[in-house]
Amino acid sequence: SQKIEQNSEALNIQEGKTATLTCNYTNYSPAYLQWYRQDPGRGPVFLLLIRENEKEKRKERLKVTFDTTLKQSLFHITASQPADSATYLCALAGFNKFYFGSGTKLNVKP
Amino acid sequence: DVKVTQSSRYLVKRTGEKVFLECVQDMDHENMFWYRQDPGLGLRLIYFSYDVKMKEKGDIPEGYSVSREKKERFSLILESASTNQTSMYLCASSLPGRGETQYFGPGTRLLVL
Repeated sequence: SQKIEQNSEALNIQEGKTATLTCNYTNYSPAYLQWYRQDPGRGPVFLLLIRENEKEKRKERLKVTFDTTLKQSLFHITASQPADSATYLCALAGFNKFYFGSGTKLNVKP
Repeated sequence: DVKVTQSSRYLVKRTGEKVFLECVQDMDHENMFWYRQDPGLGLRLIYFSYDVKMKEKGDIPEGYSVSREKKERFSLILESASTNQTSMYLCASSLPGRGETQYFGPGTRLLVL
């Protein structure tokens, strides 16, 4: 079965720095990979999707890379702000099904 | 604005009770999903439905059943609640196909005593 690994330890960074979160996967070759944000007590909210033939995708301060050889995606938040503090989940998207990682908690300190 | 609503934010039930969790979406999505989320385990798919009256088992269907009589509504049923079903339950919906965005409800935090 597929395995999706995200760093379970919280990432603590200073405001203004770039946060980089990692998503590694095995036993699967997804056509799409998505990143979601989840705030405490709420459902995940979609942020970005990247396709297997795309190396990089950007949206405002967010950047996602997708390396199908390494089976890894990196999620970057530049110029991070305390409001970016949340848990970030990666999801491998198949046809009508998704497989989620357990998420990495990001703490941005002012 | 897209919306997925769940019937309760918090629920406390006793072992052995039958529990109904309701989810409604207003986006006319074909696909609907039920997940549970536990610390360190991430979101695990319980069941999903790709059309009215259609359902497929996810990764952890044991102890659960679902019902989809109308396109906008997807119910999760715990036939006989047990303490190991204490969890956060999340409903989501999406259009059919590859890589479609999932829209999540706010979640129901269920405690089984």
